[in-house]
Amino acid sequence: QKEVEQNSGPLSVPEGAIASLNCTYSDRGSQSFFWYRQYSGKSPELIMFIYSNGDKEDGRFTAQLNKASQYVSLLIRDSQPSDSATYLCAVTASGGSYIPTFGRGTSLIVHP
Amino acid sequence: EPEVTQTPSHQVTQMGQEVILRCVPISNHLYFYWYRQILGQKVEFLVSFYNNEISEKSEIFDDQFSVERPDGSNFTLKIRSTKLEDSAMYFCASNEAGPRGTQYFGPGTRLTVL
Repeated sequence: QKEVEQNSGPLSVPEGAIASLNCTYSDRGSQSFFWYRQYSGKSPELIMFIYSNGDKEDGRFTAQLNKASQYVSLLIRDSQPSDSATYLCAVTASGGSYIPTFGRGTSLIVHP
Repeated sequence: EPEVTQTPSHQVTQMGQEVILRCVPISNHLYFYWYRQILGQKVEFLVSFYNNEISEKSEIFDDQFSVERPDGSNFTLKIRSTKLEDSAMYFCASNEAGPRGTQYFGPGTRLTVL
């Protein structure tokens, strides 16, 4: 059973701070890693994907991948109230199936 | 910007009834997916579809579910005899680059089974 674990939160940060969201996964052969943002009642919206170890930056977002530790994180710099949402980590499996397994998501609250 | 669309946005049905959920994937995409999300739970994969056939399905996708691409634009999910536990958000997704590519989600259909 391939698992993707996230702390459900809520993670509460003040406006302008850095929000750090974490995700661990059980399948050591996992290939691709995605972060989605989901507002309440809405569909997942892709924020970032990362395939290789290290950091990947896109605007205020940085994804960090450490395959040895089976850990992927998302940093949001200069957090805004509009960033308040649930952040879903998704990991694609090894062994020929690239269907993503989603975590339960971490609820982020950015307060003014 | 092209987007995946889904209809209806909300479907209410009686237990035992058949429902068809409709999706129009992004026009140049060839890989299509259905997911569901029970309220407060994870997004769960149901089925993937490519070249007019199912390429992969989960254990959730049992005999009461079927998918079809009836024409060049629509992609449908049929639930033959709905159960109370089928109540969920159903998301369609598509991509052009195959299973490794990023998937673009539609807005979802909220299915309520009474």
